[in-house]
Amino acid sequence: DGGITQSPKYLFRKEGQNVTLSCEQNLNHDAMYWYRQDPGQGLRLIYYSQIVNDFQKGDIAEGYSVSREKKESFPLTVTSAQKNPTAFYLCASFDRGRLNTEAFFGQGTRLTVV
Amino acid sequence: QKEVEQNSGPLSVPEGAIASLNCTYSDRGSQSFFWYRQYSGKSPELIMSIYSNGDKEDGRFTAQLNKASQYVSLLIRDSQPSDSATYLCAAYREGKLIFGQGTELSVKP
Repeated sequence: DGGITQSPKYLFRKEGQNVTLSCEQNLNHDAMYWYRQDPGQGLRLIYYSQIVNDFQKGDIAEGYSVSREKKESFPLTVTSAQKNPTAFYLCASFDRGRLNTEAFFGQGTRLTVV
Repeated sequence: QKEVEQNSGPLSVPEGAIASLNCTYSDRGSQSFFWYRQYSGKSPELIMSIYSNGDKEDGRFTAQLNKASQYVSLLIRDSQPSDSATYLCAAYREGKLIFGQGTELSVKP
């Protein structure tokens, strides 16, 4: 079955640590996205990528980094520069080639600073 | 000005009523629009997508798009308690997919 997989489901980070969230898709989608969601809030765009080896900053990129070395994978690193990283992180992929399409989401990673 | 704006609610309607959810967007170049439903602690799931002016119906749901007014809406007919969730509006343009802050809907039995 095609889909998008995020791991881990829960992640705990100590102050000053970098952590990496995994996102893998087998839908053959070119575009991939990372969003952050805080309690009672909508989705805020962190980074997005339309093709391999290329990505763009979203609205809240500071303190985060990404890579897109393979079409299937778009990992997100939360660096120590991100001062308030506790949130729900969602990865999505999107088929840009079809007009009547949708973004598919992973099940999310809940990151907590301890 | 936010790129995609929604009333945060909460919006409360009685069971069987019509729920009306609204969304405005600032980028006139936006090409496609989406309504997602999100239950607490879960990932968003697609309800409707729309890219042409006018109405699009799917079961109890109708999406309406007015590009001149930069306005997208979602109507839910015969609302059910299971429709209680947060509804997210999204706009897509040239690779960028932006979401609004969501509207919380509560359907009372």
